[in-house]
Amino acid sequence: IAGITQAPTSQILAAGRRMTLRCTQDMRHNAMYWYRQDLGLGLRLIHYSNTAGTTGKGEVPDGYSVSRANTDDFPLTLASAVPSQTSVYFCASSDSTSNTDVDTQYFGPGTRLTVL
Amino acid sequence: GQNIDQPTEMTATEGAIVQINCTYQTSGFNGLFWYQQHAGEAPTFLSYNVLDGLEEKGRFSSFLSRSKGYSYLLLKELQMKDSASYLCAIMDSNYQLIWGAGTKLIIKP
Repeated sequence: IAGITQAPTSQILAAGRRMTLRCTQDMRHNAMYWYRQDLGLGLRLIHYSNTAGTTGKGEVPDGYSVSRANTDDFPLTLASAVPSQTSVYFCASSDSTSNTDVDTQYFGPGTRLTVL
Repeated sequence: GQNIDQPTEMTATEGAIVQINCTYQTSGFNGLFWYQQHAGEAPTFLSYNVLDGLEEKGRFSSFLSRSKGYSYLLLKELQMKDSASYLCAIMDSNYQLIWGAGTKLIIKP
């Protein structure tokens, strides 16, 4: 069982380009999340999905979009990358069954993105 | 506003005990999580507290005082592999996790 996989592991991208970060989980978890982690700051939530077919905005959603067509996949798209989006991106999932449920989040290995 | 404070960095000696503190002010409280993150890796779950008191799990223990907005993570019998960042996170009234910046723990032989 792989848990959560993310691709690519790292990427260098020119400003203005479109980029999709992939995230797949095989734990059949309902909820999935995208975070960014920057030096000196805590993890910040970009977007989340409580169940397939639904998505919601987190703390820092601007410049990012997500989709949740099925339970396993939760891609994050940067429509037109900017240097301030240089960060490490983590995908996570949890077995929460509603948006009022407390459950542990499990993280993928991360994608290190550099926008020049 | 929401605020979570942790020391930026701590140093301890192999075999010793270290306590990492976390203080918080958040809109609502549905529990406090501690995660461990080795450099270049993903955060991994350590503990969850929602009631006041001490939760012990092997060499690691986590304490919570909701009235004081305070938690600590206690690591005993430190090993070199415990060198990592330790992240404190609060589940707020919207059931979203709010994260501290993390405490980098350096273990010296």
